Amino acid sequence: EAQVTQNPRYLITVTGKKLTVTCSQNMNHEYMSWYRQDPGLGLRQIYYSMNVEVTDKGDVPEGYKVSRKEKRNFPLILESPSPNQTSLYFCASSFGLAFTYEQYFGPGTRLTVT
Amino acid sequence: AQKITQTQPGMFVQEKEAVTLDCTYDTSDQSYGLFWYKQPSSGEMIFLIYQGSYDEQNATEGRYSLNFQKARKSANLVISASQLGDSAMYFCAMREDPIQGAQKLVFGQGTRLTINP
Repeated sequence: EAQVTQNPRYLITVTGKKLTVTCSQNMNHEYMSWYRQDPGLGLRQIYYSMNVEVTDKGDVPEGYKVSRKEKRNFPLILESPSPNQTSLYFCASSFGLAFTYEQYFGPGTRLTVT
Repeated sequence: AQKITQTQPGMFVQEKEAVTLDCTYDTSDQSYGLFWYKQPSSGEMIFLIYQGSYDEQNATEGRYSLNFQKARKSANLVISASQLGDSAMYFCAMREDPIQGAQKLVFGQGTRLTINP
């Protein structure tokens, strides 16, 4: 089954404790992206990757890191989480960059930072 | 800059009625795609329908259709014969031509649709 998987689905952590949210897709997609969803703000892009070893900042990259060492994986790293990073996070992928390609979303990771 | 506006924070509709969710967009690009996603209470994002800026016909997918009015920059989602399972948050989103530098989906704030029995 073609899908994007994320782990963990739910995470409660404390301020400053490094964490990684994993994302993996099995569709051989070149493009992958991370979004965060906050009430009243819709989804906003954090980082994206156009291919292996090619990543770039989105609209809200502060406090996050990413890497793309393999085509299928695109982990999101929070080096020192803070309460304002409490949010619902989505990983997404698409076949390419063209505007005609839909993005496939993972199930989401609900993160709470206390 | 790209922008998506959904002016209806919430809508309440009787089961079996048709419903229109509004979406207007702002772009200076000629090449773009418009998408609608459904987010049920379980949280996942489900792709519903796509309309390309050069498509002359309105997109349809089962009970979903997209009322695309390019000159007015609107891309309203129409759900025919609504069902209780249609209760969810609905997001309109746009993706511009990457040649222009855009590398993301831009989302509206969403409309929460509630279907009443």
